[in-house]
Amino acid sequence: NAGVTQTPKFQVLKTGQSMTLQCAQDMNHEYMSWYRQDPGMGLRLIHYSVGAGITDQGEVPNGYNVSRSTTEDFPLRLLSAAPSQTSVYFCASSGTGGFYNEQFFGPGTRLTVL
Amino acid sequence: GDSVTQMEGPVTLSEEAFLTINCTYTATGYPSLFWYVQYPGEGLQLLLKATKADDKGSNKGFEATYRKETTSFHLEKGSVQVSDSAVYFCALTVSGNTPLVFGKGTRLSVIA
Repeated sequence: NAGVTQTPKFQVLKTGQSMTLQCAQDMNHEYMSWYRQDPGMGLRLIHYSVGAGITDQGEVPNGYNVSRSTTEDFPLRLLSAAPSQTSVYFCASSGTGGFYNEQFFGPGTRLTVL
Repeated sequence: GDSVTQMEGPVTLSEEAFLTINCTYTATGYPSLFWYVQYPGEGLQLLLKATKADDKGSNKGFEATYRKETTSFHLEKGSVQVSDSAVYFCALTVSGNTPLVFGKGTRLSVIA
């Protein structure tokens, strides 16, 4: 099993550009989440999904879109990048029992917006 | 809303020293409590968890006890190693469908 994979590992964008951060898992997990990690702020939840076709907003959803058309994939779209979105982004998944159970994290995507 | 408060870091210890990282929480209902660890350049991974009052989670020499009366879940290790250098996050959830709420993390550096 590859676990949770994220691409790209690093990305530099200009203000106003759009892009999609990819997240995939091969563990047949229903629950998937996107977090951003900023110095001194810990992890903040952007969006999450409890199954294919179901998504919900987290603490900091503005400027981001998600969709969940398959169990395996949970892409995060930045509509119009802003310097405030410079961060490290982590995708996570968990199986039966949802958030009571271990969340498996990807290696992260480091995004810089100029 | 639900929240987790961790002691501010960074924490710097000598090898074989005793470690305590404090964590207290505020939650509606009876949360499950977790410690996650993030090694340099990696994603987070589960270190230990506890699901009800007085439960003790343990793993890799680390322990934490769910204290309902003090709403705490402090992380301890009797003898730290250089390889324990990482960022430690306390977290909670109040239901299987409710995402984790994380503390801000505590950076631990262990020097030989």
